[in-house]
Amino acid sequence: AAGVIQSPRHLIKEKRETATLKCYPIPRHDTVYWYQQGPGQDPQFLISFYEKMQSDKGSIPDRFSAQQFSDYHSELNMSSLELGDSALYFCASRGRTGGKGNTEAFFGQGTRLTVV
Amino acid sequence: DQQVKQNSPSLSVQEGRISILNCDYTNSMFDYFLWYKKYPAEGPTFLISISSIKDKNEDGRFTVFLNKSAKHLSLHIVPSQPGDSAVYFCAASLYNFNKFYFGSGTKLNVKP
Repeated sequence: AAGVIQSPRHLIKEKRETATLKCYPIPRHDTVYWYQQGPGQDPQFLISFYEKMQSDKGSIPDRFSAQQFSDYHSELNMSSLELGDSALYFCASRGRTGGKGNTEAFFGQGTRLTVV
Repeated sequence: DQQVKQNSPSLSVQEGRISILNCDYTNSMFDYFLWYKKYPAEGPTFLISISSIKDKNEDGRFTVFLNKSAKHLSLHIVPSQPGDSAVYFCAASLYNFNKFYFGSGTKLNVKP
């Protein structure tokens, strides 16, 4: 079965550079979530989208922005990167529109961002 | 403020025995609770969920129990297998599923 696809899997950037992380949800899933997990930390919620509209926002820095496109894929744009941005970034998708199993979110493999 | 808490950072269990992972929450408005399993450098994998209107949900070797009055849930794995060794995250959601609140995880080690 198709899963959540994240690209790239690994990314190395220098301080003050920009990065774009992409997330392709499971087909027919209309909700996307972004999480950040630092070393030894639990996943921290960044932002979520439903039907291309932002539905909730967490501890996302102003340097970060995200959007969901018409094909439901989402991109997380990160500018002026700092060393502390080094983390695993997970995207998850969920189908809201009825059917069994629409209560859980399915996660991608994550993008490991290293800022040097 | 951590609304979902897993107070045991690690748990070690013998193969074939029961593993019990615990989770506490503070927000009585949570509507759904989920358990995820995570291997290093991989995304969390969904295991099992439970609605707030139920007190038990079972799926194969995995059973989740919910005690709403105590704001506590637990995941039972019976029998435990070495392949179950991973970090287990408890998560909760309000009715609108706008976000999932995660606990800090419990690292389970199942010894052969």
